[in-house]
Amino acid sequence: GAVVSQHPSRVICKSGTSVKIECRSLDFQATTMFWYRQFPKQSLMLMATSNEGSKATYEQGVEKDKFLINHASLTLSTLTVTSAHPEDSSFYICSARDAPYNSPLHFGNGTRLTVT
Amino acid sequence: AQTVTQSQPEMSVQEAETVTLSCTYDTSESNYYLFWYKQPPSRQMILVIRQEAYKQQNATENRFSVNFQKAAKSFSLKISDSQLGDTAMYFCAFMRAGGTSYGKLTFGQGTILTVHP
Repeated sequence: GAVVSQHPSRVICKSGTSVKIECRSLDFQATTMFWYRQFPKQSLMLMATSNEGSKATYEQGVEKDKFLINHASLTLSTLTVTSAHPEDSSFYICSARDAPYNSPLHFGNGTRLTVT
Repeated sequence: AQTVTQSQPEMSVQEAETVTLSCTYDTSESNYYLFWYKQPPSRQMILVIRQEAYKQQNATENRFSVNFQKAAKSFSLKISDSQLGDTAMYFCAFMRAGGTSYGKLTFGQGTILTVHP
């Protein structure tokens, strides 16, 4: 079945540094990917929609300069948390869909980011 | 904007019994999808069941079934013959149908379900 690989699964970084998270579709081409953020025991909140070859669309309240999204190929989207601070510590999950309308959605395994 | 509400933060059930998780939503859309996702301790999001709003028939997947009441904007999940492996957080989710909205999910707050032996 279709698989979305997210890397790394865990990352610890120091305050002020940047962290890149990768979301890769392994056996299908994902023209659109989505990035969500989840705090412990809370819901998933959509951060942005990543479109191959064009700028990402950010949800209201999400700082686009803080959370840089790049979708340079049909199989890879990256989320870079720039100048990370402890409040950016969270669980980040990506999802992807294949090109045909009504195709199922596939989630990555998530990345736990801890900023010290 | 859409909203999804799960009013039960936690539920528990004995193994082999039946449990129902509640979900209500608010939207002005006429065509949309509703989902239940399971998130076990591994944090992997697992699709449990999906319902298209234009279908009147309630979706079923083995031990999982939904009660979709479109007029009431209610979408509850029934788990029959509960198993220990059903222990997880369950999210109800809404998605508009069509165009660029396809794939953008609005999640409820989640319900932590614990199945006791």
